[in-house]
Amino acid sequence: QVQLVQSGAEVKKPGASVRVSCETSGYTFTDYYIHWVRQAPGQGLEWMGWMNPDSGGTNFAQNFQGRVLMTRDTTIHTAYMDLTNLTSDDTAVYYCAREQGLVSDFWGHGTLVTVSS
Amino acid sequence: DIQMTQSPSSLSASVGDRVTITCRASQGISNYLAWYQQTPGKVPKLLIYGASTLQSGVPPRFSGSGSGTDFTLTISSLQPEDVATYYCQKYNSAPYTFGQGTKLEI
Repeated sequence: QVQLVQSGAEVKKPGASVRVSCETSGYTFTDYYIHWVRQAPGQGLEWMGWMNPDSGGTNFAQNFQGRVLMTRDTTIHTAYMDLTNLTSDDTAVYYCAREQGLVSDFWGHGTLVTVSS
Repeated sequence: DIQMTQSPSSLSASVGDRVTITCRASQGISNYLAWYQQTPGKVPKLLIYGASTLQSGVPPRFSGSGSGTDFTLTISSLQPEDVATYYCQKYNSAPYTFGQGTKLEI
């Protein structure tokens, strides 16, 4: 069955960077884009961008341009999202999701990133 | 960028009620509209895509309609397990913006 397993919770200081991983299984990793979505505490969903695991191509939301990197390791079927120069506004649960027909049909369980001094 | 606006932001209804949530795009997006359900403490779940196509396994009491700028999600007979926040999302082109969410309570 399709699974996306994310890395564990992180606590970071302002100005630091964080990497969240998303290990996939149950399907051909390079056949489906991976999207990243975040949700601040008590807030709604915010789309961050997508990555094409086959080519490595990416497309980011304007809010994250210059601060986010989405990469992958096809040998271990894992996607990564790096976010730099963290502030308290980046405190959120970060989700990876598989794209099927342009929509996100399977989601990871989420990774809580807390930014605090 | 195209903005997605949902209404209402919250609503309370009774078991068995017919519930309708609306989503409006600031520009036309054809039928590139999805609905997600997020129950408390859980991961978002895809309900509907293509504005009206039910994702596999979703109960038929859920339905979607609309095209262009105006869309609706309807629950024909509300059940206790439908307590959740519902989000629309456009996906005609990046950015794949979500609506702000509609919190449904019983």
